[in-house]
Amino acid sequence: EAGVTQFPSHSVIEKGQTVTLRCDPISGHDNLYWYRRVMGKEIKFLLHFVKESKQDESGMPNNRFLAERTGGTYSTLKVQPAELEDSGVYFCASSQSPLQPQHFGDGTRLSIL
Amino acid sequence: AQSVTQLDSQVPVFEEAPVELRCNYSSSVSVYLFWYVQYPNQGLQLLLKYLSGSTLVESINGFEAEFNKSQTSFHLRKPSVHISDTAEYFCAVSEVGSQGNLIFGKGTKLSVKP
Repeated sequence: EAGVTQFPSHSVIEKGQTVTLRCDPISGHDNLYWYRRVMGKEIKFLLHFVKESKQDESGMPNNRFLAERTGGTYSTLKVQPAELEDSGVYFCASSQSPLQPQHFGDGTRLSIL
Repeated sequence: AQSVTQLDSQVPVFEEAPVELRCNYSSSVSVYLFWYVQYPNQGLQLLLKYLSGSTLVESINGFEAEFNKSQTSFHLRKPSVHISDTAEYFCAVSEVGSQGNLIFGKGTKLSVKP
């Protein structure tokens, strides 16, 4: 079984540019979560999809962040325009149901210069 | 609101020594508890979880954690560590009845020295 795949593994962009992160969950996992870890801080929840619907986006920092999951398969997280404080590692996780353990991807390390 | 505290940011130990990584949580409702591990250059992997039942849970590689409701703790222990246990360990909770959103502690870096 393929695990959760995230792309790219690293991204370095300048302030003001746009970046799109992608997450491919484990096949059949309806629940998809995005988290972020800013350097030196804890991993924080951003949002949760059930299939293509946003179930909870209470953790999204501001309207520069847009997440989508068209068709209920892979998800994208776009940051536009990127700011310095957006630097960090963005993790995606998926599970069959909210009660099942979440499987995490390797993360995307985003650096804003 | 829930919160998770991992007081030790770094724990250095010698190989074959015992180790305890501490985790305390704060919540007004019942929670599920998890330990995740992140090996160098890898993603997070579930180490063990407590959902219900026996308060002592074990992993396949010798770690164990005990849920203590009165002390709101879920400390992780291993009686004898290996070099390969060097990693960052994260304690996390999710609220019972929620959609599974995890609340993490800041992580503890375990460094096992020969």
